[in-house]
Amino acid sequence: GIQVEQSPPDLILQEGANSTLRCNFSDSVNNLQWFHQNPWGQLINLFYIPSGTKQNGRLSATTVATERYSLLYISSSQTTDSGVYFCAVGYGGSQGNLIFGKGTKLSVKP
Amino acid sequence: KAGVTQTPRYLIKTRGQQVTLSCSPISGHRSVSWYQQTPGQGLQFLFEYFSETQRNKGNFPGRFSGRQFSNSRSEMNVSTLELGDSALYLCASSSGTGIYGYTFGSGTRLTVV
Repeated sequence: GIQVEQSPPDLILQEGANSTLRCNFSDSVNNLQWFHQNPWGQLINLFYIPSGTKQNGRLSATTVATERYSLLYISSSQTTDSGVYFCAVGYGGSQGNLIFGKGTKLSVKP
Repeated sequence: KAGVTQTPRYLIKTRGQQVTLSCSPISGHRSVSWYQQTPGQGLQFLFEYFSETQRNKGNFPGRFSGRQFSNSRSEMNVSTLELGDSALYLCASSSGTGIYGYTFGSGTRLTVV
């Protein structure tokens, strides 16, 4: 099956710093999403981005489907950005089955 | 519009018991997927229901089952609970076409003692 690898596994930043999180996947996908899991466990959908680039405030994401990777950019980080960021992919026929990476745990220090 | 509602939020059960979790998707969404999250295994897909039919199933034992009602609300049931079933159970709501984003509920944290 498809493998999803995220890097780095852990990231510690000072407030105001920028960061780039990476997601590599091993096969063609038709669905790629980035999520932020808050300390209470809820997964918040940040982007649906199977290809191309999107921006939402301080966050942006780029997926290069032909090279099988996606990047999540966080600019001017805030302490509320702390948590775990997951990349999840779906493929043709997977019907509801998103395959998640192991996540990047981000800690933003004041 | 209302988000995805999961109940209950927390649950403590004894080994051997059974448990039923509920998920109400976003209005208009016909697909509900269930996931188990544990520290060791991460997020794993359990099953997906679309228009009251199970369309896909993950690699979990038969003790894990689910169903979906005509109003798209879904329940999952775990019978003969084991300690290893302790986890955060998350459900996701989507259109069911597979090409749009998923919205997750807040989850049910199950502890088996």
